[in-house]
Amino acid sequence: DVKVTQSSRYLVKRTGEKVFLECVQDMDHENMFWYRQDPGLGLRLIYFSYDVKMKEKGDIPEGYSVSREKKERFSLILESASTNQTSMYLCASSPPLGGSGNTIYFGEGSWLTVV
Amino acid sequence: DAKTTQPPSMDCAEGRAANLPCNHSTISGNEYVYWYRQIHSQGPQYIIHGLKNNETNEMASLIITEDRKSSTLILPHATLRDTAVYYCIAYSPLNSGGSNYKLTFGKGTLLTVNP
Repeated sequence: DVKVTQSSRYLVKRTGEKVFLECVQDMDHENMFWYRQDPGLGLRLIYFSYDVKMKEKGDIPEGYSVSREKKERFSLILESASTNQTSMYLCASSPPLGGSGNTIYFGEGSWLTVV
Repeated sequence: DAKTTQPPSMDCAEGRAANLPCNHSTISGNEYVYWYRQIHSQGPQYIIHGLKNNETNEMASLIITEDRKSSTLILPHATLRDTAVYYCIAYSPLNSGGSNYKLTFGKGTLLTVNP
């Protein structure tokens, strides 16, 4: 089974701290994603990556950066955490989509609270 | 990106078929329709996807209209465990090869299965 593992399930950080959210997938997928999910707003794409060292901005990249130094790992970085970044963060990975069988696999989510 | 429109909520009686609609009137010819669901506090789970033809798997059936402007996800015998938010997504390739893409989630439909 495909496994997407997010390093922390629950985190509490202080305003201004630098925060790292780590994600690892075990299926050699080219594509990896970071979403955040807030009540009433659904899932919103922050950043995605289609190859090592490659990244593309999603719909809400402000206040975030990402790093993909190895194919299996995709990190989300909050340079200076703010309270409006309190949210659930979801990592996902996939092979190239389209055709039969290929789909996106999600991790279980990381609940971040910034105080 | 092809945008999708779903009703915010639906109810269904346990044991009956649940029919969840999705409009994607701007979908282009090479875009797939994917369905996911998310049970509270978990990562989204893949259900089914299709391009033009109707599809069926062990979880659900997907009916796509001939003009591809809308689709319906059918859960043939809904159970209480099917209570979740259901997302309909149009897959948007970044390049003509279709191997890279950006997935955009809307707010989904909250399906409540009642005993």
